[in-house]
Amino acid sequence: AQTVTQSQPEMSVQEAETVTLSCTYDTSENNYYLFWYKQPPSRQMILVIRQEAYKQQNATENRFSVNFQKAAKSFSLKISDSQLGDTAMYFCALRSNDYKLSFGAGTTVTVRA
Amino acid sequence: SQTIHQWPATLVQPVGSPLSLECTVEGTSNPNLYWYRQAAGRGLQLLFYSVGIGQISSEVPQNLSASRPQDRQFILSSKKLLLSDSGFYLCAMGTGGYGTQYFGPGTRLTVL
Repeated sequence: AQTVTQSQPEMSVQEAETVTLSCTYDTSENNYYLFWYKQPPSRQMILVIRQEAYKQQNATENRFSVNFQKAAKSFSLKISDSQLGDTAMYFCALRSNDYKLSFGAGTTVTVRA
Repeated sequence: SQTIHQWPATLVQPVGSPLSLECTVEGTSNPNLYWYRQAAGRGLQLLFYSVGIGQISSEVPQNLSASRPQDRQFILSSKKLLLSDSGFYLCAMGTGGYGTQYFGPGTRLTVL
């Protein structure tokens, strides 16, 4: 069984600053994929970034980057130059070999003007 | 491009009434399809997934059921709704080598 843990229920950040969201996971599989999704107040789930477990290089998408530590089973998300539109709930997810996703409980990020 | 449609967007139903939520996808063929439920302020719970027409796997025993009558259509149903069925229902499509899941806009269901 896979588990995904997000230990920060809420985080607040000043506009233009950086915030890092933590995520740890547990899986017995060697080949898996990790994702961060964003859910704004509209509740639409939007893919932010993804990482293959076999790749050592950390994924980057514009202002979003991850710090993937496979041995520690850690997958944190860094949001740089935070914008008001980044205010949302962020979910970490793990995709297993059967193509099912396991989600964390989410972290609510509030960007202050 | 791939698009996921869900309807209705909002639904208020009395306890004991039937339910039918529909999800259709465009821009891809033979996708994996998923139904999730999300309680307010919580994470997503996988309810059903399908790898092809007529193939449904259930993750959580309950009074809900799912069907996939066509390749790009996924339906969530119930014969008699319970109060505990209230929530936000999301349909997702999995595609590509990553199996990345893309989500529809969701249906907000309130059972009174």
